[in-house]
Amino acid sequence: GAGVSQSPSNKVTEKGKDVELRCDPISGHTALYWYRQSLGQGLEFLIYFQGNSAPDKSGLPSDRFSAERTGGSVSTLTIQRTQQEDSAVYLCASSRLYNEQFFGPGTRLTVL
Amino acid sequence: AQSVTQPDIHITVSEGASLELRCNYSYGATPYLFWYVQSPGQGLQLLLKYFSGDTLVQGIKGFEAEFKRSQSSFNLRKPSVHWSDAAEYFCAVGATGTASKLTFGTGTRLQVTL
Repeated sequence: GAGVSQSPSNKVTEKGKDVELRCDPISGHTALYWYRQSLGQGLEFLIYFQGNSAPDKSGLPSDRFSAERTGGSVSTLTIQRTQQEDSAVYLCASSRLYNEQFFGPGTRLTVL
Repeated sequence: AQSVTQPDIHITVSEGASLELRCNYSYGATPYLFWYVQSPGQGLQLLLKYFSGDTLVQGIKGFEAEFKRSQSSFNLRKPSVHWSDAAEYFCAVGATGTASKLTFGTGTRLQVTL
């Protein structure tokens, strides 16, 4: 597609459940990033993937968060045993190497 | 560690007036600098970027920004604001020469009065 796509656009879940968020980057972009946007914390970096290199996981807030990128394209962010403080908008971005990042529309996660 | 400060949380301007949004960064070398805009319920759209070269950069929608190394600033300007410019604006810094994370400021919400 023309831009970064994310699904679902909205996700409501119960505390303690696991959720998966998906990101389809722009074709040909080798780098993929996940960020979280919440009222209290602003925009926070979570993780990024670059080609076949080991991902930079330095922004993941706890071991309940994980992400994978299959075939150098689609990425899934998984949050296990969700907590209310995980409620946020999760943004995905992609870029060519050393270039600007293009963002998707985000997934709004609400944990009840 | 890199950081970004946007000192103005909320700014209101009249349509047709000029605009300047402030951004100060902290980074050990020459950074990559960006301005993004976010409309309600939308993702982030890139307005402009600075990687190197001319310190005055032009972006989309009539925006420009000037990189001032001596002041560690990258302020965003527009000569005449339109009502459709009402949104939240984020300044961001990235490390040079790498594909790496962006560090964002806390954002400035722009309100435009008619």
